[in-house]
Formats: sequence, C-alpha cells, structure tokens
Amino acid sequence: DADVTQTPRNRITKTGKRIMLECSQTKGHDRMYWYRQDPGLGLRLIYYSFDVKDINKGEISDGYSVSRQAQAKFSLSLESAIPNQTALYFCATSDWELGYTFGSGTRLTVV
Amino acid sequence: QQQVKQSPQSLIVQKGGISIINCAYENTAFDYFPWYQQFPGKGPALLIAIRPDVSEKKEGRFTISFNKSAKQFSLHIMDSQPGDSATYFCAASYNQGGKLIFGQGTELSVKP
Repeated sequence: DADVTQTPRNRITKTGKRIMLECSQTKGHDRMYWYRQDPGLGLRLIYYSFDVKDINKGEISDGYSVSRQAQAKFSLSLESAIPNQTALYFCATSDWELGYTFGSGTRLTVV
Repeated sequence: QQQVKQSPQSLIVQKGGISIINCAYENTAFDYFPWYQQFPGKGPALLIAIRPDVSEKKEGRFTISFNKSAKQFSLHIMDSQPGDSATYFCAASYNQGGKLIFGQGTELSVKP
C-alpha cells in the first residue's frame, strides 16, 4: 500500500456541487498538507495541519475547507465547486528528518 | 507574490548533455531548499536538498549549487538521460519539516 493514499484519483463534477477529496497516510506523521498544481504555477498550498487540533490556511484557501479527522486522515472539501478549481490536487505529509511524501494526486474537473 | 521563482519553464536537452534549472528566492529566513522530480500521473518525489550553510551538494548525476548572497540555487543534471524527462520543482521552507513554497516547475525533455 502507498504511504499516502488519495481518493478519488479522478473526478468530474458540475459547477455548484459539493465535493470532498480524501487523504490517508500510513507514515505516522503529524504534519499534513493539501496543494493544488496548475500548469505554469507550480504547487500552491491550500491548507495545512501540524496536528489533529491544528488547521491553518495556506496561500489559496478561499473556496476550500478541510477536516483533520485523525492523525492519518486529512480531507479537502469544495463547498460549491467552480470551473477555476479544475486542477490536480496533492496531499502530502512531512516530518523533520525525511521531509515530504506526496500522494499520487486527484485530478478534478469542474464543468 | 511569488517567493520562489523558477526558470526556464521548459527545457529540451540532448542525451548526455547537462540540464540546468535555476531558482531564486526572496526570504532570507528560508533554511531548506529541496528539489522535487515529478513523473506524469505521480506525485512529486524528493530528489536532492541543500541547506544554506553549504555551496554545493552532489548525489550521483544531480548537483545543487547554492549562492546565498545572490539568493539563488540551481539544479544540474549531468549526462542527462531520457529517463530524466520529468517536471522538476524547486522549493524553499523555513525548516525541513515545515510548509514548502514551490517554484513554478520546469518540464524537462531529454531527447535520445
């Protein structure tokens, strides 16, 4: 099994729909992140969590929310999806010694 | 504002050549500078990283050069191979386990 698992891998949804992207990890790391990847813009931080009770906004949090259900689970929600949220979304974990481990990504299309 | 700027956006290199990707940063408090490699359909994976107390770090064919005074660092891929074709991201953070700020990415294509 992968260290960081993201579901679904691909999703097409309609404008205005609520959608949740899920992430689970077996690394035992406290720190988890959600990034968004767009061509020419790199990866931009949406939200991050340094432990179960800690949630922080990243540089592009508007239109998104997160929930840290347990140390191993960190989900990202789009309350009312819009077309410019079409992107590749990555979940990651980190620790002090080994740095980041990324999931394989969720490709989201909002039509 | 973009705290980490990466160039070029795309790069084509012949097999056996040297690939060079450059990054510049703004915040002198950054303390950790990794490079990530991403293949299609996969998440980024750590390739090599450096701290500002050294000017160069080499791992196999991959070398990071770091210029603290210029606030720049670069990735050199020696003897580039078609299997190196991927997207490369530079990044910076205040510490190794902290939140990363990424550059825009460079799509490298190594031609046989």
